[in-house]
Amino acid sequence: QSALTQPASVSGSPGQSITISCTETNSDLGTNNHVSWYQQHPGKAPKLVIYEVNNRPSGVPNRFSGSKSGNTASLTISGLQAEDEASYYCSSYAGSHVVFGEGTKLTVL
Amino acid sequence: QVQLQESGPGLVKPSGTLSLTCAVSGDSISNSQWLSWVRQPPGKGLEWIGQIYRSGSPNSNPSLKSRVTISVDKSRNQFSLKLSSVTAADTAIYYCARAYCTSNDCYLDAFDIWGQGTMVTVSS
Repeated sequence: QSALTQPASVSGSPGQSITISCTETNSDLGTNNHVSWYQQHPGKAPKLVIYEVNNRPSGVPNRFSGSKSGNTASLTISGLQAEDEASYYCSSYAGSHVVFGEGTKLTVL
Repeated sequence: QVQLQESGPGLVKPSGTLSLTCAVSGDSISNSQWLSWVRQPPGKGLEWIGQIYRSGSPNSNPSLKSRVTISVDKSRNQFSLKLSSVTAADTAIYYCARAYCTSNDCYLDAFDIWGQGTMVTVSS
């Protein structure tokens, strides 16, 4: 089964930009655009912030953007704000299964 | 708007069966095409358990497949999860979620609506 690898943690100062990577161990990410990203604050359910690589659901600020190159997808948050401090998870869908990344803890310094 | 709410026992004995339901409010469950269960062990990441297409055949995580049963009860506007032969490793917050669909497509790993989650502990 696929596995999605994310860095355990990233950090940035308010106003800066950060990028979180999500790399798949087999070739699924490179062959489809089924990549989503979630933001999760402690004690809360995850919130969808990006779907299909680079699409934002209604209500998600345009500071959140996604991209993909080969087997690696990325989430970029520009103009960091204190409220962006949370855990972020990527996900992918292939072969009738959904896989989540291990999660990345974003700290806003 | 559509809301999801999980319910079920918070404590299950080892080797028993975990049973949860997810009530759909704000719309008919028949209008929600893909419904999933996701869990999160304390302090850990998200794990997809499985999904069902309306009342069609479910798919589930290969690592759990033999223990998972997902079904839809349209008359009660809810869907359910049963996980058999549980161990302490199944202790987690369990979420139900709905895949995001437009008029043209559904994005099966993009869950736009989530329940608040329910904590299930496996312990004697």
